[in-house]
Amino acid sequence: QSALTQPRSVSGSPGQSVTISCTGTSSDVGGNNYISWYQHHPGKAPKVMIYDVSKRPSGVPDRFSGSKSGNTASLTISGLQAEDEADYYCCSYTGGYTNVLFGGGTKLTVL
Amino acid sequence: QVQLVQSGAEVKGPGASVTVSCKTSGYAFNFYYIHWVRQAPGQGLEWMGWIFPKSRETKFAPKFQDWVTMTGDTSVSTAYMEVSSLRSDDTAVYYCATSTSGQYFDYWGQGTLVTVSS
Repeated sequence: QSALTQPRSVSGSPGQSVTISCTGTSSDVGGNNYISWYQHHPGKAPKVMIYDVSKRPSGVPDRFSGSKSGNTASLTISGLQAEDEADYYCCSYTGGYTNVLFGGGTKLTVL
Repeated sequence: QVQLVQSGAEVKGPGASVTVSCKTSGYAFNFYYIHWVRQAPGQGLEWMGWIFPKSRETKFAPKFQDWVTMTGDTSVSTAYMEVSSLRSDDTAVYYCATSTSGQYFDYWGQGTLVTVSS
């Protein structure tokens, strides 16, 4: 199984919005709503930012939002802040909800 | 509160095996999947597989099917992941994670660095 496809990097200035895409197939992203997004700062454990395509866990700012259209999921971060600079990974269940697939990761740089 | 505490860093030679432990607390260990995820240097997150502690059922990503073992000890709420026949490209940080709230990873261990070097 190949990783889900994400852009290697995105950037934006403080206060701006950025969107990170995550493209898969009808067997993974397009075939279920168990899409999640993780923020990963080097040396720390990943942190879930979005689950079930568009839900936010308690404590995650509403600047983070998720959506999906067909085989592509998206994470949008509005009102960029310096602390948002990190690697972001999408994740999808696949194979009848027994297997898991991560995206290749996107490095977000806040200019 | 839910906690996953992993064992410390390991250095192993090529061909050796390594076992990483993930001691859990604060939730019903038996009834939630424990997943293992790794990140090689400069690479992204890679899902390896899961174990359901109560039934001991496991599921692996295809590339890990034949050389990774996942077990769990319900008496001490601890999961274990053994990687055998280590190669240099198994050098990575290995994470355990659990899904107590739904189909996503809500709690993670701190990560264990495994270095494979001769």
